[in-house]
Amino acid sequence: NAGVTQTPKFQVLKTGQSMTLQCAQDMNHNSMYWYRQDPGMGLRLIYYSASEGTTDKGEVPNGYNVSRLNKREFSLRLESAAPSQTSVYFCASASTDSYGYTFGSGTRLTVV
Amino acid sequence: AQKITQTQPGMFVQEKEAVTLDCTYDTSDQSYGLFWYKQPSSGEMIFLIYQGSYDEQNATEGRYSLNFQKARKSANLVISASQLGDSAMYFCAMRTNAGGTSYGKLTFGQGTILTVHP
Repeated sequence: NAGVTQTPKFQVLKTGQSMTLQCAQDMNHNSMYWYRQDPGMGLRLIYYSASEGTTDKGEVPNGYNVSRLNKREFSLRLESAAPSQTSVYFCASASTDSYGYTFGSGTRLTVV
Repeated sequence: AQKITQTQPGMFVQEKEAVTLDCTYDTSDQSYGLFWYKQPSSGEMIFLIYQGSYDEQNATEGRYSLNFQKARKSANLVISASQLGDSAMYFCAMRTNAGGTSYGKLTFGQGTILTVHP
């Protein structure tokens, strides 16, 4: 099925470990986004990429880096995981000339 | 800065009745879009309905309608004839398009948990 694919779906990290969350879309969308969801706080934007080759910070970028590898793929990296980064992470994509957003199924990350 | 406020942490409704989920927003931009998403316990984000700031009529999608009151900056979701499967978290979100520089970023509210009783 066409859409946004996130891997992994679940991950447990120890404090200080690093990991990369992968996201790929096959809808030829220009824009891609990473959000985190914490209880009682809705979804907050971490980083976004308006087009291939560009990235920019969102509301809560500290502790994260991103790479827009090509038009399809947008990865999120935690260099040194902290318990405060325990959250559910969503990748999304959108075409900038429409209102349609597609979300991935989420990655549940626990940092112990 | 844009802000979305959902003041109802939880709502209860009887099956087959209608329910309104509140959403107010704050923006100084003239062009923006308002969204509602449903998040069931399985966790995925499901798009329900969209309202553009220049749309003159309230949006409707099946049992979902958006009560858009621009002057009051509110965009309430109305679900008619509630079903047990409507039990979920509901998020209101806004995208602003100031000079084309928003790049489609969404700002979300805190969400409302809806429980439908049989």
